[in-house]
Amino acid sequence: EVQLVESGGGLVQPGGSLRLSCAASGFTFSSYWMSWVRQAPGKGLEWVANIKQDGSEKYYVDSVKGRFTISRDNAKNSLYLQMNSLRAEDTAVYYCARIAVAATEIDYWGQGTLVTVSS
Amino acid sequence: QSALTQPASVSGSPGQSITISCTGTSSDVGGYNYVSWYQQHPGKAPKLMIYDVSNRPSGVSNRFSGSKSGNTASLTISGLQAEDEADYYCSSYTSSSTLNWVFGGGTKLTVL
Repeated sequence: EVQLVESGGGLVQPGGSLRLSCAASGFTFSSYWMSWVRQAPGKGLEWVANIKQDGSEKYYVDSVKGRFTISRDNAKNSLYLQMNSLRAEDTAVYYCARIAVAATEIDYWGQGTLVTVSS
Repeated sequence: QSALTQPASVSGSPGQSITISCTGTSSDVGGYNYVSWYQQHPGKAPKLMIYDVSNRPSGVSNRFSGSKSGNTASLTISGLQAEDEADYYCSSYTSSSTLNWVFGGGTKLTVL
């Protein structure tokens, strides 16, 4: 059974940093593109970042470029999102997600971890 | 990276059919057959319901179907059930962004 379990969320002050982790199990992690998707309270979904199987390609939504870094450790079956210079508008539930083999959709989602940026 | 356009809300009675539209451009919905649909119940993670415009993953009810015409994709739910009440999001591959994917703004489905 595919499982994606996020951790690392919490309350952080504006300008602060946070590192999210996602533990993957039930599939060959190194064979899949992975993503972080976020959802602000009461709002829709927003794709944040994608990373290729070997970590050689990374893509970000414009609003987080230069502040967020997506990475992965295939030996540990783990996905990460380092978030720096956090802003109030980064407040959201952050989902770890697996992109399907054909790379045309997300086929599995974690349960999400809440990040709150507030003083 | 502009979001795809969905109606904010739709509603229907049990047993009826409803359709949710998802409008984009020739750079996303109209240019590729890579439209997917997700169902999200309150407080839960999204769930894939349709991929590649009209394909259903294993385990998804055949009451859910997808289609596309030009720059607009559609999700149809037939034989509405109370459990279908949820938020629905479309997503498409896009050539307009290095991120390559974009979501719609979401549609709240109410089963009356």
